[in-house]
Amino acid sequence: QVQLQESGPGLVKPSETLSLTCSVSGDSVSSDNYYWSWIRQPPDKGLEWIGHIYYSGSINYNPSLKSRVTISVDTSKNQFSLKLTSVTAADTAVYYCARGRYSNSSGRAFDIWGQGTMVTVSS
Amino acid sequence: DIQMTQSPSSLSASVGDRVTINCRASQSINRYLNWYQQKVGKAPKLLIYATSSLESGVPSRFSGSGSGTDFTLIINSVQPEDFASYYCQQSYITPRTFGQGTKVEIK
Repeated sequence: QVQLQESGPGLVKPSETLSLTCSVSGDSVSSDNYYWSWIRQPPDKGLEWIGHIYYSGSINYNPSLKSRVTISVDTSKNQFSLKLTSVTAADTAVYYCARGRYSNSSGRAFDIWGQGTMVTVSS
Repeated sequence: DIQMTQSPSSLSASVGDRVTINCRASQSINRYLNWYQQKVGKAPKLLIYATSSLESGVPSRFSGSGSGTDFTLIINSVQPEDFASYYCQQSYITPRTFGQGTKVEIK
């Protein structure tokens, strides 16, 4: 059974850097046909894709956040991470990590999600 | 970016009703359209991928259709556990984008 678990501080000060890690169990971040994604959801709002990474290092970011975002993968720990710099109150959200399927037969979709972690930006 | 617009934003239904949720893309996305269900305080759950393929374990009362720019999620005979928010999402290009959501409430 594949499981993803986010971890990191729940409170970040304005202008500082938000750092989260997603630990993967039951699968390998080096698997073919999967990409590893971050998605966020501000309180009572919709979902925003932040970006994703393939184990090979190929990365795509949302242009709206690209200047502030870094996603990386650590195959030795079977984890991937998110860093978001210069945060403001607008970055307050539940942050999800998710596995993205990329297959001709099984489509392209986020099929496994972590439970989410609430990050509040406040002094 | 491709904008995804869902309608309605919310609806009320009784158990056993047929529920229809629409999703429109700002440009053609072929059939690269997914649907998710989200319950309060929980992560989204994949229901349907590639417009009409049911994810493993999802009840057959859920179905999807469409192509190009217009897509539909149907819940036949809605059950108490189906009252939740539903999101469409395009996987045609990056950035991946979601609809704003449709909240299905009990009448």
